[in-house]
Order: sequence, then C-alpha cells, then structure tokens
Amino acid sequence: AQSVTQLDSQVPVFEEAPVELRCNYSSSVSVYLFWYVQYPNQGLQLLLKYLSGSTLVKGINGFEAEFNKSQTSFHLRKPSVHISDTAEYFCAVSDPTSGTYKYIFGTGTRLKVLA
Amino acid sequence: EAGVTQSPTHLIKTRGQQVTLRCSPISGHTSVYWYQQALGLGLQFLLWYDEGEERNRGNFPPRFSGRQFPNYSSELNVNALELEDSALYLCASSLGGGYTDTQYFGPGTRLTVL
Repeated sequence: AQSVTQLDSQVPVFEEAPVELRCNYSSSVSVYLFWYVQYPNQGLQLLLKYLSGSTLVKGINGFEAEFNKSQTSFHLRKPSVHISDTAEYFCAVSDPTSGTYKYIFGTGTRLKVLA
Repeated sequence: EAGVTQSPTHLIKTRGQQVTLRCSPISGHTSVYWYQQALGLGLQFLLWYDEGEERNRGNFPPRFSGRQFPNYSSELNVNALELEDSALYLCASSLGGGYTDTQYFGPGTRLTVL
C-alpha cells in the first residue's frame, strides 16, 4: 500500500532564508502528488500539485516542488520565507493503481519562521 | 463563492455518547470526504461519499458512519465515543471522485471526548 513520509516534523528557519520540506512516497508507480498548507485553526489549502509533465511545479505564495520519480520524492521549496509562512505543511499522494480513490497524507511538517 | 462549511466548530462530549458532525460542500461538488486529524498522526482518511453513495472508507470501526444527502451535504456520526476519538474532523469536497481532483477543505470540527 502506498505511504507518504515527511521526515521532518518541525523545521525552524529564519525569515528571508530558503527552506525545503521533504516528502517521500513509497511506490514508484505513477502517482499524483499534492502539497497542502494548514494555517492555525484553519482547514487545508492546496499549495500545488503534480499530475504530469514538467517535474518542477510552481504553486501559490512563491512555493515550488520538484517531482523526482527515481527517488520517489516531491520536496517543497521556497527561496525566501516570510513570517506568514508559519504553518503546517502536508504532502499527499493519490494512487490511481490502488483501485480506490483517496489521498494518503503524510504526518505533516510544522514550519516555524523566526524573525 | 462559499467554501466548504462545517458545523459545529467545537464539541465536547463524554465517553459513550454519540455525535453528529455536518458538512456542506462547495456548490457543484458531488464528492465529500471526511478525515480525522488527531495530534501527531496527520490526516487519516475516514469516508468518501459521491452522488449519495459511500464509495470508500478507511480503517476505522463501524461506529464511524455517515451519509450524503441529495443536496450533497454530508454528516458524520460517531457512536460510543472513546477518548481517542478526540481530534479535529475535517471535511473536504471535490468536483468528482477523480484521482487528479483537488480536494477543498473546511475549517474542521474540534471534538473533545472527556
């Protein structure tokens, strides 16, 4: 069964510094990949998604992610973070070979941007 | 356009009680999903409804159930509440049940079981 690993539970970073949040999934079959952000006391909001085509995906708020099939990774990056980026970030995979439609979410990475 | 709405926002129950959570999807969306977000466990998939039918359920006991109404709104019922049911329950909706569809999430219902 498909699984998603977000190795870093918390990532502190200073304002205006770059950040990378890591996401690995378990199977090398063709999957669809998503990054969501959850601000405090809110639901999840889609940042970006990879369906096919270019492996570099650009999303909202200056975030981008790179799909790497050989390493089964979909890491999220931002070149310069702001205080307002403090939130929890979730990677999710949708596996069309599973026969059942659902997202598999990682456990999340809490990004803390420091002044 | 209104987003996904959920009610109530907070709920406190005691062990053994029953609870009903409600969700209204974005207009035009036919699929509704329920997730449980317990502390430190990420989001666990509970249920998926589409066109009034239950299409899939996650690894949860039968005391977690729900339904979808003709207007595509949905409710989640949890019977015989246990302490470990304390969590944020998130509802999401999408246009259909396709693998590439984006899910749009509501703000959640925080359930506390004492």
